[in-house]
Amino acid sequence: DAGVIQSPRHEVTEMGQEVTLRCKPISGHNSLFWYRQTMMRGLELLIYFNNNVPIDDSGMPEDRFSAKMPNASFSTLKIQPSEPRDSAVYFCASSLAGVGETQYFGPGTRLLVL
Amino acid sequence: SQQGEEDPQALSIQEGENATMNCSYKTSINNLQWYRQNSGRGLVHLILIRSNEREKHSGRLRVTLDTSKKSSSLLITASRAADTASYFCAPGAGTALIFGKGTTLSVSS
Repeated sequence: DAGVIQSPRHEVTEMGQEVTLRCKPISGHNSLFWYRQTMMRGLELLIYFNNNVPIDDSGMPEDRFSAKMPNASFSTLKIQPSEPRDSAVYFCASSLAGVGETQYFGPGTRLLVL
Repeated sequence: SQQGEEDPQALSIQEGENATMNCSYKTSINNLQWYRQNSGRGLVHLILIRSNEREKHSGRLRVTLDTSKKSSSLLITASRAADTASYFCAPGAGTALIFGKGTTLSVSS
């Protein structure tokens, strides 16, 4: 079985540009999570969905960040406009058994905003 | 959601030695999970122990859970260079998992 798929794997962009990160969860999983990891702040939960519905977006840093899950097999995390402090590795994870159970992480998208 | 706190922050050992990492948390849990992250990669789930279990084994991994002390430990026996990674605990309580800073384990050959 394919694991969680994220694209792109690397993204370099200039400040002010729009960035869209994509995630395909494991088929059949009903929960999806977006995390951001930096050396300074560690691994931060940004938002999570259950059955395609956003449940908790309190970790989203500010209005420049938005996330959608139009169907069970696809989610996007958008940053508009991007800033250098958004540079980080962004991970998507999915879970079969729901929130609080085992999560399966994607390989991450390494974002650099110049 | 609650965050687990791993201790120590960093651990350096020789191949063949055992490595023990600890995790503390604050409120009641349904389960506690341990994950590993190799440099530049996503987290990989290692083991989940339920709140009614006290010990669990998986290969060279041994996890204990003491709900009265709100703590857990992860023991890696006969460590290998390939065990070099960061290890995270995540208390599961029906809400989203929150990850701490982790323990960085270095195993030298």
